[in-house]
Amino acid sequence: GESVGLHLPTLSVQEGDNSIINCAYSNSASDYFIWYKQESGKGPQFIIDIRSNMDKRQGQRVTVLLNKTVKHLSLQIAATQPGDSAVYFCAEETTSGTYKYIFGTGTRLKVLA
Amino acid sequence: DVKVTQSSRYLVKRTGEKVFLECVQDMDHENMFWYRQDPGLGLRLIYFSYDVKMKEKGDIPEGYSVSREKKERFSLILESASTNQTSMYLCASSSVGTATGELFFGEGSRLTVL
Repeated sequence: GESVGLHLPTLSVQEGDNSIINCAYSNSASDYFIWYKQESGKGPQFIIDIRSNMDKRQGQRVTVLLNKTVKHLSLQIAATQPGDSAVYFCAEETTSGTYKYIFGTGTRLKVLA
Repeated sequence: DVKVTQSSRYLVKRTGEKVFLECVQDMDHENMFWYRQDPGLGLRLIYFSYDVKMKEKGDIPEGYSVSREKKERFSLILESASTNQTSMYLCASSSVGTATGELFFGEGSRLTVL
């Protein structure tokens, strides 16, 4: 939505550089996490997920890293493109198998030409 | 192409009015959800449903009710709209037993209550 992001931290990167977006989660027992991308005026879209039995998972140009010790999640985007400009937020499943999530407030990624 | 459709993208209502937000999914998903999205607060779960005629309260159900009479349709009802319900409302669905717990979202309904 248009008002999402008024109070969001912003990450500005040059086109072609790599982006790293961070997220702290709350529950050490959470075992499933998702990263979403939300473009202006659209609903969130799934990017990549990871389960707690993994430290790293790679997709196409994206990598998610999970550090359970400090309850930290990061999304790395390689060779950032203008189409990557959006709000990114993480989600942790509150109880395994319930499909109920706690969502982070998000980070706005701006790609500079 | 799979789709979650929210019937109204923008609504303006007056305080005290009854508001219906409709959501339809064409993926035969069992689970459906209503969230509201506010700046600085992220997405917060209002209600969800795991099956037809079934509903459960989320984290902020006060002032809202829901209806799921058919598997593909999940409606959010504001019985008496108030200004603090001005927000972006997002509907989502998901399937049981898939490899991911991905939620498929609609494009959102922006509600302004005057």
